Amino acid sequence: DAGVTQSPTHLIKTRGQQVTLRCSPKSGHDTVSWYQQALGQGPQFIFQYYEEEERQRGNFPDRFSGHQFPNYSSELNVNALLLGDSALYLCASSFLKTSGTDTQYFGPGTRLTVL
Amino acid sequence: AQKVTQAQTEISVVEKEDVTLDCVYETRDTTYYLFWYKQPPSGELVFLIRRNSFDEQNEISGRYSWNFQKSTSSFNFTITASQVVDSAVYFCALGGNQFYFGTGTSLTVIP
Repeated sequence: DAGVTQSPTHLIKTRGQQVTLRCSPKSGHDTVSWYQQALGQGPQFIFQYYEEEERQRGNFPDRFSGHQFPNYSSELNVNALLLGDSALYLCASSFLKTSGTDTQYFGPGTRLTVL
Repeated sequence: AQKVTQAQTEISVVEKEDVTLDCVYETRDTTYYLFWYKQPPSGELVFLIRRNSFDEQNEISGRYSWNFQKSTSSFNFTITASQVVDSAVYFCALGGNQFYFGTGTSLTVIP
């Protein structure tokens, strides 16, 4: 049973560039959430996708956008990169229920460095 | 507002000692979920336990145990007879429509 996978593992970009990160959810899961984890901090919620739509969004600017595909995989796009965007980006998948909260399972993350 | 506080930034213990990691949460929701995750140096968050707000029974899983007390809004995690492999950063999280994580507690188990 494959877990959550993310690509690439590491990425180096320069200020002003754009980046796309990818995530494949755990088998049987239909919901993908993205988090940003700065060094020494806890993960911060960016947004969540379900049925190819953004369902919830945290306190992140519009430079951060995403997409979910019919096979439930997802992309995170960040435009006009800033030095402060350097972080570990974590993807989590879950199975959305009509009530309650399902456990989120995390991928290994993508380490983004902005120079 | 939703908030999770892990006051212990770093803890060091000698192998085989018991250690408790504290977690205090704030929420106005009547139904909510609490989680603990382990983050080893590799970076991947590993799920440990989930607890819903209407189940205050403590839980034990091997050397791990969790104490949930709604009266004090706490969800503490105890590792009994710690081992070097327990060294990691541990995160407590509050789940609802989105997850709110604490800042983590870095545990170092010294052989």
